[in-house]
Amino acid sequence: AQRVTQPEKLLSVFKGAPVELKCNYSYSGSPELFWYVQYSRQRLQLLLRHISRESIKGFTADLNKGETSFHLKKPFAQEEDSAMYYCALPNTGGFKTIFGAGTRLFVKA
Amino acid sequence: EAGVAQSPRYKIIEKRQSVAFWCNPISGHATLYWYQQILGQGPKLLIQFQNNGVVDDSQLPKDRFSAERLKGVDSTLKIQPAKLEDSAVYLCASSWGSNSPLHFGNGTRLTVT
Repeated sequence: AQRVTQPEKLLSVFKGAPVELKCNYSYSGSPELFWYVQYSRQRLQLLLRHISRESIKGFTADLNKGETSFHLKKPFAQEEDSAMYYCALPNTGGFKTIFGAGTRLFVKA
Repeated sequence: EAGVAQSPRYKIIEKRQSVAFWCNPISGHATLYWYQQILGQGPKLLIQFQNNGVVDDSQLPKDRFSAERLKGVDSTLKIQPAKLEDSAVYLCASSWGSNSPLHFGNGTRLTVT
């Protein structure tokens, strides 16, 4: 069955420290994964998708098929990165788009 | 482009009452989704439309929830009768296609007392 797991509910780091938000998935096939972010009082929005291989707001994510992971990384966290982050496996091959439970990132000054 | 519009933003009802939510997707987006997000959890898909047809409603509690997307544009989600466990944020999203990024509305926060 298709599944997305975000093992950390809360991640707290200091400003300037590296950050890694973990995402593991189970999917039989070639997945396409997304990271969505929700800042305080804003709507849920796309942060990045693995197929585009781009860096958004300093964040990158690499798909590791061997480890079935799609971890989100940033070398130097900023206070404005504090938000709720969701990993998502979109509708592919007839499966519905599903989201992980989310990780709240808190960047301390 | 104008974003996904949802109304109302907040709704408080008593259990066994009925409630309806409205969503207007981004113009041209063929796929429309309704998600339920309970506090502390990720969004859970309730129903997905492709134009005005239902693609997936496997997690929609059909004994009390119903949704329609007339003319393949805006959509309504109804709960009748509501239960306490229906308290959640109801998110509407739309996308160009089923494999495209989702664009979300601000959501409707429902409280059932």
